[in-house]
Amino acid sequence: GDSVTQMEGPVTLSEEAFLTINCTYTATGYPSLFWYVQYPGEGLQLLLKATKADDKGSNKGFEATYRKETTSFHLEKGSVQVSDSAVYFCALREGSDEKLTFGTGTRLTIIP
Amino acid sequence: GAVVSQHPSRVICKSGTSVKIECRSLDFQATTMFWYRQFPKKSLMLMATSNEGSKATYEQGVEKDKFLINHASLTLSTLTVTSAHPEDSSFYICSARDAGSGTEAFFGQGTRLTVV
Repeated sequence: GDSVTQMEGPVTLSEEAFLTINCTYTATGYPSLFWYVQYPGEGLQLLLKATKADDKGSNKGFEATYRKETTSFHLEKGSVQVSDSAVYFCALREGSDEKLTFGTGTRLTIIP
Repeated sequence: GAVVSQHPSRVICKSGTSVKIECRSLDFQATTMFWYRQFPKKSLMLMATSNEGSKATYEQGVEKDKFLINHASLTLSTLTVTSAHPEDSSFYICSARDAGSGTEAFFGQGTRLTVV
């Protein structure tokens, strides 16, 4: 079945550092890929998505590129801020299926 | 953006009792709602999908008599954990989607259930 593997946290970085959170997936078809973010006390929010190979999703300075050849969708940000502290989830959805398959989540803490 | 409100955020109950968790879409009609469960250091696992006015579709391995889902209106779905046991302690998250809008699902804040 489908699965998503993302790097285990927690991850702690200093403000303005470069961020990478790795995500790889296993799927039978050609899934859409997502990054969700959960800020403290809030629900998961869609951060960005990509629906086909080589697409780049971007939002709030975060980027992730759909790499079919490496089955990856790594999340990157060039300069993180304290307000980026949250839990980040990588996820996929196959075709028209409504079901999302999630990774375990990575807790990110940015220190001033 | 659309908001999904989940209540309560935390609940502690005694073994053998039942607990109800509510999930409400505040400014859109949720034709489809999803219930997820997350164990420590594990992925969010989909438990069931419910469409308004019809029976929920449960994922393999999820006991439908244990986890009762009701989606009686376009803005409210409830998950009732019946005869709870300590192994039911977990983080439960709902999400809701307006299938007609083409937008992605919106998530609630989650409920931390502890059964003692």
